[in-house]
Amino acid sequence: AQTVTQSQPEMSVQEAETVTLSCTYDTSENNYYLFWYKQPPSRQMILVIRQEAYKQQNATENRFSVNFQKAAKSFSLKISDSQLGDTAMYFCAFMKPVTYNNNDMRFGAGTRLTVKP
Amino acid sequence: NAGVTQTPKFQVLKTGQSMTLQCAQDMNHNSMYWYRQDPGMGLRLIYYSASEGTTDKGEVPNGYNVSRLNKREFSLRLESAAPSQTSVYFCASRIIQGNNQPQHFGDGTRLSIL
Repeated sequence: AQTVTQSQPEMSVQEAETVTLSCTYDTSENNYYLFWYKQPPSRQMILVIRQEAYKQQNATENRFSVNFQKAAKSFSLKISDSQLGDTAMYFCAFMKPVTYNNNDMRFGAGTRLTVKP
Repeated sequence: NAGVTQTPKFQVLKTGQSMTLQCAQDMNHNSMYWYRQDPGMGLRLIYYSASEGTTDKGEVPNGYNVSRLNKREFSLRLESAAPSQTSVYFCASRIIQGNNQPQHFGDGTRLSIL
């Protein structure tokens, strides 16, 4: 079974600085998908960024980017120019390719990020 | 566009009571999911429905039942609530077209069992 590990339960960063959240996963699959979700205090689960394992280029979305290291099974999230609104719990998620029995997504335990003014 | 709607948002139950959590999506998604979120454990899958008419157990199904009423609705039932089921419950849905489509989540239901 796939497992997702986020080794940093809590992190903090000063506003406008850069922070990197770590995620590692274990799988025997060659093709899969990785996601970072953000959960602010409002409790919503918001998709931040996604990465396909077959793509070598790291995904970027504005201030958010990933460092995807397939051989190391590592998928870290970098937040540049941190803003107070980035304060949230961040979850890393692994998803297998689509099959009919679609039990395909696993989440890490989360990293609580606090952006300090 | 409402997306995924969960009701209720909060509920307090006594041990042994029963309750159904409702979930509906208006995005014409095929698959629907129920998760529970506990501190330090991320989201764990309780049950899922790959398509209308099918349901399957996830990682932590004991103590729960589900019904996929139609394509839009997927309910979660606690027949005899236990304090260990105190948690935040999330419903999610996903379209099975394109392998990289993520799950879309509702706003969650905070359930406390005394």
